[in-house]
Amino acid sequence: DIQMTQSPSSLSASIGDRVTITCRTSQYVSRFLNWYQQKSGKAPNLLIYGASSLQSGVPPRFSGSGFGTDFTLTITSLQPEDFATYYCQQSYTSPPTFGQGTKLEV
Amino acid sequence: QVQLQESGPGLVKPSETLSLTCSVSGDSISSNYWSWIRVPAGKGLEWIGRIYSTGSANYNPSLRGRVTMSVDASTKQFSLKLTSVTAADTAMYYCAKDLPYSGSFGGPFVYWGQGMLVTVSS
Repeated sequence: DIQMTQSPSSLSASIGDRVTITCRTSQYVSRFLNWYQQKSGKAPNLLIYGASSLQSGVPPRFSGSGFGTDFTLTITSLQPEDFATYYCQQSYTSPPTFGQGTKLEV
Repeated sequence: QVQLQESGPGLVKPSETLSLTCSVSGDSISSNYWSWIRVPAGKGLEWIGRIYSTGSANYNPSLRGRVTMSVDASTKQFSLKLTSVTAADTAMYYCAKDLPYSGSFGGPFVYWGQGMLVTVSS
């Protein structure tokens, strides 16, 4: 299985900050890297797919980049509703696998 | 508005079979992949498998031999069966729809159910 390593595991930030979360895969995954946001007690919500495509309805302050094995999720101008846990996921090969999560805290 | 809803027993005895159903509204089952994902207690997200509307399925090798998925387009439901469960199968179980994305296998997961907690205990 492809191992997913997210960093940092947790991150403290303030409203209005710009934050970057990194995801590294143990093998090449081309552009097939997706990002999700999960709030407590809720299902994950798709933010970014294909490394950089913004899912419909997701605010443009979220962006993704990367290719191959190294990817980033960037949130510009943090809003109160952005404090949550973020996961990356590869959909390049079976089985699809997820990162361990990055908890974004105030 | 697409909605998915898991249903089934919240408590299953060890060695028995876990059975869950996902009901889909606001979308067609046809020509889509539908997945099951779980979060075992104290662990991360784990993809269980997916089923296409024709009934063709792919499973996580880690669960090979214990998982079966099925789909019923007429009722807009798809189902999961996991046999010989143990405490390690205690988890929050989610059903989800795969976003059609050329070349992608297993995701991205665009719609999710609210999740169902299944506990394996005698």
